[in-house]
Amino acid sequence: DADVTQTPRNRITKTGKRIMLECSQTKGHDRMYWYRQDPGLGLRLIYYSFDVKDINKGEISDGYSVSRQAQAKFSLSLESAIPNQTALYFCATSDTRQGPSGSYEQYFGPGTRLTVT
Amino acid sequence: AQRVTQPEKLLSVFKGAPVELKCNYSYSGSPELFWYVQYSRQRLQLLLRHISRESIKGFTADLNKGETSFHLKKPFAQEEDSAMYYCALSGRLGGANNLFFGTGTRLTVIP
Repeated sequence: DADVTQTPRNRITKTGKRIMLECSQTKGHDRMYWYRQDPGLGLRLIYYSFDVKDINKGEISDGYSVSRQAQAKFSLSLESAIPNQTALYFCATSDTRQGPSGSYEQYFGPGTRLTVT
Repeated sequence: AQRVTQPEKLLSVFKGAPVELKCNYSYSGSPELFWYVQYSRQRLQLLLRHISRESIKGFTADLNKGETSFHLKKPFAQEEDSAMYYCALSGRLGGANNLFFGTGTRLTVIP
């Protein structure tokens, strides 16, 4: 399932560097999300966007910014990377319309493994 | 505030044995709960949702509002069930419904 793609898949960067993670989707969904996954902490929401003009902070937005360039693209930036931002980052999408069960299913990308040294 | 708790980080069972992955939640409203699974080298994907009351790959999960639990069960574990399992709750954040994930349980099925 290549409907949600993330680039790069792996990245090693140094403290203080600016880095951008990109997410693209071909599912035609309006809603997009960025999560980070840390061992023992599960997935935590960084930012979410319900359409091109809508950007919202999640649980852990400090140190991150996002850009919704188009319906299909949602980028996550670390303006000045620090070591505790080393994590696995996931992009996800969901439809505006509820599914048959009345819920909003999220579809995930393959993840970007970021290491900040 | 919404919270999802998965008390077991690791769970190992033998093939053919029953398996139960625990999930407890706290939420002031009417909860909507999900189980997501991540197999090795695959992306996170929805396994099942409580609203559907469905059985997927032999797994079921019943919402128990009295115990605020949504445990995932399968009567006979298979090797291909080895994966990372996340319980998630759909709750309000900033005026919109978003998913809140537990910390995950890694299930290993021993042949």
